[in-house]
Amino acid sequence: AQSVTQPDIHITVSEGASLELRCNYSYGATPYLFWYVQSPGQGLQLLLKYFSGDTLVQGIKGFEAEFKRSQSSFNLRKPSVHWSDAAEYFCAVFIQGAQKLVFGQGTRLTINP
Amino acid sequence: DVKVTQSSRYLVKRTGEKVFLECVQDMDHENMFWYRQDPGLGLRLIYFSYDVKMKEKGDIPEGYSVSREKKERFSLILESASTNQTSMYLCASSMAGTNEQFFGPGTRLTVL
Repeated sequence: AQSVTQPDIHITVSEGASLELRCNYSYGATPYLFWYVQSPGQGLQLLLKYFSGDTLVQGIKGFEAEFKRSQSSFNLRKPSVHWSDAAEYFCAVFIQGAQKLVFGQGTRLTINP
Repeated sequence: DVKVTQSSRYLVKRTGEKVFLECVQDMDHENMFWYRQDPGLGLRLIYFSYDVKMKEKGDIPEGYSVSREKKERFSLILESASTNQTSMYLCASSMAGTNEQFFGPGTRLTVL
């Protein structure tokens, strides 16, 4: 069955530190992968997406993600976090036959000043 | 910019009440979706619609129904609200043939 796993429920980093949020997917075909961010009290905003081509994709707000087919992973990274990055982050895979997104459980990011 | 709006940000209802959650998008998108979001479970798809008057069950349709009478509007209906339907509800839309979804701000529903 198709699924997305985000192993870390909650991560705390210091402002200015680097960040990596993990995402593993299970999907038989070539995946279309997404990272969304949800600020407190808000809906989801698309950070970046991977469809094909270069496995390192750049997104908004200085985020990037790397697709690794051999590891079934699509980890999100940022070299230096800002206090405004505190939010919940969701990884998702698009199921082409069913035309729907399957989301991971989410990772809540807290930034220490 | 795509705009997806939801009728209420916060809603409090009593057990057994009929509840309507409304979602409107202004970009002429064919596809619309309803999710519920619970801590530790991420987003789970309740229902979706590819066109007016069409609907498809998602992963957790039990206790819910939907209505899509106009292209821009997609309603989620709780026929008889129960406390286990207390949750955040998110609506999304997308263009036909594409996979990027645009989300509304969400409705936090509390059922007492």
